[in-house]
Amino acid sequence: RKEVEQDPGPFNVPEGATVAFNCTYSNSASQSFFWYRQDCRKEPKLLMSVYSSGNEDGRFTAQLNRASQYISLLIRDSKLSDSATYLCVVNMAGFQKLVFGTGTRLLVSP
Amino acid sequence: EAQVTQNPRYLITVTGKKLTVTCSQNMNHEYMSWYRQDPGLGLRQIYYSMNVEVTDKGDVPEGYKVSRKEKRNFPLILESPSPNQTSLYFCASSLGGVSNTGELFFGEGSRLTVL
Repeated sequence: RKEVEQDPGPFNVPEGATVAFNCTYSNSASQSFFWYRQDCRKEPKLLMSVYSSGNEDGRFTAQLNRASQYISLLIRDSKLSDSATYLCVVNMAGFQKLVFGTGTRLLVSP
Repeated sequence: EAQVTQNPRYLITVTGKKLTVTCSQNMNHEYMSWYRQDPGLGLRQIYYSMNVEVTDKGDVPEGYKVSRKEKRNFPLILESPSPNQTSLYFCASSLGGVSNTGELFFGEGSRLTVL
């Protein structure tokens, strides 16, 4: 079983739509959680951290469910510029390693 | 401008011909790491370094070497490249490790093809 699993998509949505991605992780000792964004043929960049209490950054909301070991990312009012691959990322306490999911691809169309 | 710089960005080589991918960061970061990205497998860590002269294996270190003689540089060495090392390679750095902030700054990537 992969340490971090994501639906690869693609998710095809129209502009203005709300879209949600989920990600599950296998190691209950995981401590820190993040979403990264990767544009086609570019490097990944940190989108946001995910806190137990949930957190919001503009149109983006991230939530963590430790009991079920999943993380979610909600994007409201999708823009064309949101088209990218979204990577779910997990870190275990004491380990200097980020474990990346394979990513969920989002395509926002006019 | 704060950045992580990798070279070369693109390389086609042949089996067995030693090559080095350089990585340099200008942010005075202590932590540096190499990842490879393959379709269906995502990003996998090859090696990382917590500081000068301190390196450690990641998940897929076989066939690779690294060194950290200076804080800013973290080259990736393929002593005898093989076709299964054809991949997209990313160097990344972080101020003090990833266990808390999780923020890695990535280079633009180096696409390597081994024939």
